Amino acid sequence: SQQGEEDPQALSIQEGENATMNCSYKTSINNLQWYRQNSGRGLVHLILIRSNEREKHSGRLRVTLDTSKKSSSLLITASRAADTASYFCATGRNTDKLIFGTGTRLQVFP
Amino acid sequence: DTAVSQTPKYLVTQMGNDKSIKCEQNLGHDTMYWYKQDSKKFLKIMFSYNNKELIINETVPNRFSPKSPDKAHLNLHINSLELGDSAVYFCASKTGRQAGAGELFFGEGSRLTVL
Repeated sequence: SQQGEEDPQALSIQEGENATMNCSYKTSINNLQWYRQNSGRGLVHLILIRSNEREKHSGRLRVTLDTSKKSSSLLITASRAADTASYFCATGRNTDKLIFGTGTRLQVFP
Repeated sequence: DTAVSQTPKYLVTQMGNDKSIKCEQNLGHDTMYWYKQDSKKFLKIMFSYNNKELIINETVPNRFSPKSPDKAHLNLHINSLELGDSAVYFCASKTGRQAGAGELFFGEGSRLTVL
């Protein structure tokens, strides 16, 4: 069964605004990752947060993880038109596979 | 240099045909995957190989047969194609074997359309 669900399914904002996406999952994990997919392209890894971490930053990205609530959020600050893409969370356990969420489609208008 | 490359990028074929998609990675990774992404962008793992050994086979019809001639290549052969097989198929690779060890590197995808 699908591990993660993302919220919202779609998000439209203006350049310069912040974008927040949420991911919820069902079972225990070792890590949670976020990926970006531009239209017609493959997925690109953005950031990984381990189950013993609560927050992680990478450039304009901020990821939080709350294992008690089985949820994570991805914040993109000062968004740009180039951030327009679909964003997926993916969870990993001690089995050799990542399970992806349903994705959030982000549209950033110039 | 492309890290994970898939061919073909587009594939249009009739129901009942057999087709193959090829994948190669030049990253020296040990593990390779096939994922299927449907029209709703839902991404689901199909197979995983580690050093030519099949380690994950998710409930995929046996019309789908992966083949890994060496650890840098993972091909996907599909027999008797059905309309429901239409999707984008992604190849991916990573170092090590454990899912928690790091990121996946994806190819650009192969869009299969079955008519």
